[in-house]
Order: sequence, then C-alpha cells, then structure tokens
Amino acid sequence: DGGITQSPKYLFRKEGQNVTLSCEQNLNHDAMYWYRQDPGQGLRLIYYSQIVNDFQKGDIAEGYSVSREKKESFPLTVTSAQKNPTAFYLCASSIDRTNTQYFGPGTRLTVL
Amino acid sequence: GENVEQHPSTLSVQEGDSAVIKCTYSDSASNYFPWYKQELGKRPQLIIDIRSNVGEKKDQRIAVTLNKTAKHFSLHITETQPEDSAVYFCAASLYNNNDMRFGAGTRLTVKP
Repeated sequence: DGGITQSPKYLFRKEGQNVTLSCEQNLNHDAMYWYRQDPGQGLRLIYYSQIVNDFQKGDIAEGYSVSREKKESFPLTVTSAQKNPTAFYLCASSIDRTNTQYFGPGTRLTVL
Repeated sequence: GENVEQHPSTLSVQEGDSAVIKCTYSDSASNYFPWYKQELGKRPQLIIDIRSNVGEKKDQRIAVTLNKTAKHFSLHITETQPEDSAVYFCAASLYNNNDMRFGAGTRLTVKP
C-alpha cells in the first residue's frame, strides 16, 4: 500500500478556518487527483494536475485550492468558502492521465 | 457529461454464492470501465477493468461484462468469501482519468 500517502488521517477544523491536506507520491507519476467521497455518493473530482505547475478544476472545485510545485506533492486547501467540507478526501496519482489511478489512504475532515 | 448509475446500493450474499453488481452509463463514447474495491477504512484499489473493444474479461473469481449497445457493464464475483466484503465502485471514462465518473458504490456483505 505504499507509494502514495496522505496526512493527516483525521482532521478537525473550526468553521471559518482554512486547512491543508497533504498528498505525496514517490511513484514518479505525472498526474495527480483529488476526490471527495460522501456517504451514498461516488467519488467526485475536485482538482487534477497532469504535470508539475499545472492543474485544472474538476466538477466540484468551488471552495478548494491546490498547488503543484513539485512532481511528488499535490496539497489541497479547503477554504472557509467551502460550505459543506465535512467528508472523506482521497488523493490519487497515475503515470499519466490515461493510466490506472492509485489511491492514497484518505483524510477524514470534520468541521466542528 | 457522463453519468454513472450503480445498483444495488447494498448486497448481501451467503458465502459461496455469486454476487452481481450492475452499472449503467450515459455517454456512448466512454471506452474505459474500471472497478474498484474499498475495504472498510482503506483506500480504493483497482480489481479489474475493461475497455470498449472487449465484451468480457475474467480474473480468477472476478469477471466484468460490457454491453455497449445497452450502455451497461457488470461485475460478477463467483464463490464469494467473507474477505470479498467491501464497497465496490464502478466508473466510466473517455480514456482520460479527469473525465472519469464513478458510481455511488455497492456495499457487499458476504455472510459466512
């Protein structure tokens, strides 16, 4: 299960605070993704990056921001503008945009 | 855009029985259909996938069938075991991961 890691495993945030979720991979993958998982729903794409210094919005990017300054890192910031941030967040990576995605272990974010 | 529906949302079978999970998709241009297994508290992992030029694919006790005309594909698990208990997600894409859309998931319980 190594190769792509996320931290922390659990995160608690007060309303009005920004919080950053970490995603790191040592697989030398070009593409990285952030998904949100809610009960009874499929994974929904927040942001994706096909190469360093480039990223694009997914289906539900509002209230989130990302950066891709290094190939191995793709942090996600959940801003105070995100109305319902409590969810399970999954990061994934793939060799390129057409190949199999490998998922990280996830971060469960709870807003208090 | 693509829309993927997955049924049933929960499925309970007796050990040794077969389990079938079905997904339908809306975009006839979709050509890649992976299935992921997510055990409780763990990351999703690819278990099998199929591309649009193939009608069926098998890997030991797992098989996937694709009907492009009807725009549906199914996961078949034979001789189920308790360790098959998990949430299974289907997905469909136009061969780019950023286009991939996921079903809502099926929680499979295999009773010993």
